[in-house]
Amino acid sequence: DAGVIQSPRHEVTEMGQEVTLRCKPISGHDYLFWYRQTMMRGLELLIYFNNNVPIDDSGMPEDRFSAKMPNASFSTLKIQPSEPRDSAVYFCASSYGQISPRFGSGTRLTVV
Amino acid sequence: GENVEQHPSTLSVQEGDSAVIKCTYSDSASNYFPWYKQELGKRPQLIIDIRSNVGEKKDQRIAVTLNKTAKHFSLHITETQPEDSAVYFCAADSGNTPLVFGKGTRLSVIA
Repeated sequence: DAGVIQSPRHEVTEMGQEVTLRCKPISGHDYLFWYRQTMMRGLELLIYFNNNVPIDDSGMPEDRFSAKMPNASFSTLKIQPSEPRDSAVYFCASSYGQISPRFGSGTRLTVV
Repeated sequence: GENVEQHPSTLSVQEGDSAVIKCTYSDSASNYFPWYKQELGKRPQLIIDIRSNVGEKKDQRIAVTLNKTAKHFSLHITETQPEDSAVYFCAADSGNTPLVFGKGTRLSVIA
């Protein structure tokens, strides 16, 4: 399989702008996870979906963050408006069942 | 909910020596414990996992041990090589909630 595909790989944006991160999970996987990775906080789970339905978004830091999964092959994570403290690497991961998620290559977001 | 503690946060070993990374978890219902390796600038990748009905599992130079009574599990890397240098994450999963990751251990293998 092609693995989990994320785009863009890098994103540099100005504070206040909207940012949209995209993810295509592995075909057949029924779980999709969005993680944020920083040096200070490690890997944080932001939100996860099961069969396209959001199950737990308690990790979403603020209302500025939102995520959608309109179908089994696509998900987005949106930040509006973006702030410098949102700078991090954002990973999407998918799995069949909740175990052994496979990660995408990540999106390195820099908000200036 | 589950809480996973990982130690040490950094580890330096000489090439050829062994490295051990330890994790503890809090939820006795957790029954699946994977380990991920993340090389610099890359994605975390699953390298080995263990389930609660097994005490030890080996795959070439890496092994994991699990002590359910004490709620701790460890990653052992023998005959370390420079390409083992990476950040290693442990995780625990009870089956009802997603994986909870430790904070990671940065392993440096010195040639």
